Amino acid sequence: GAGVSQSPSNKVTEKGKDVELRCDPISGHTALYWYRQSLGQGLEFLIYFQGNSAPDKSGLPSDRFSAERTGGSVSTLTIQRTQQEDSAVYLCASSSLAGIQYFGAGTRLSVL
Amino acid sequence: GDSVTQMEGPVTLSEEAFLTINCTYTATGYPSLFWYVQYPGEGLQLLLKATKADDKGSNKGFEATYRKETTSFHLEKGSVQVSDSAVYFCALNQETGANNLFFGTGTRLTVIP
Repeated sequence: GAGVSQSPSNKVTEKGKDVELRCDPISGHTALYWYRQSLGQGLEFLIYFQGNSAPDKSGLPSDRFSAERTGGSVSTLTIQRTQQEDSAVYLCASSSLAGIQYFGAGTRLSVL
Repeated sequence: GDSVTQMEGPVTLSEEAFLTINCTYTATGYPSLFWYVQYPGEGLQLLLKATKADDKGSNKGFEATYRKETTSFHLEKGSVQVSDSAVYFCALNQETGANNLFFGTGTRLTVIP
């Protein structure tokens, strides 16, 4: 596609449930990032994938958060046992090596 | 660690007014600096960037100059339009290691006719 695609655009879940968020990066981009945009917290880096290298997970807030990237393309961010403080907009970005990051429209997660 | 401090909003201006949104940073080495914009209902878009000291990034009438001596990257526009209403984010990255962006908290700009 022409840009970074994220799905779903909105997700409402109950506390304690698991959720999966999907990101389709721009074709040919080797780097993929997940960020979280929370009220009062701004934009926080979560995780970074570059090619076939081990991901940089230094921004993940807890072990309930994990992400994978299959075949160097699509990525899934999984949040287990969701908590209300996980409510946020989750943004995905992709780039060529050391290039400009292009962002998707995000997934708005609401944990009730 | 690396960080960005951005002028808090919200900012409300009349059309054709002059805009300044202040941004300062703390970083080791020589980061690249960015302004991203988020229009209502849309994702983040790169507005402009500068990769080394004294570089000026410009786009759509917006400008920002990389000032290493003051560790600043203030965003300016001489005459704002209603269509500039959005949230503006200052950011930096080191282009090494994870290359992730460090963002300021964002400044909401509303331009009234």
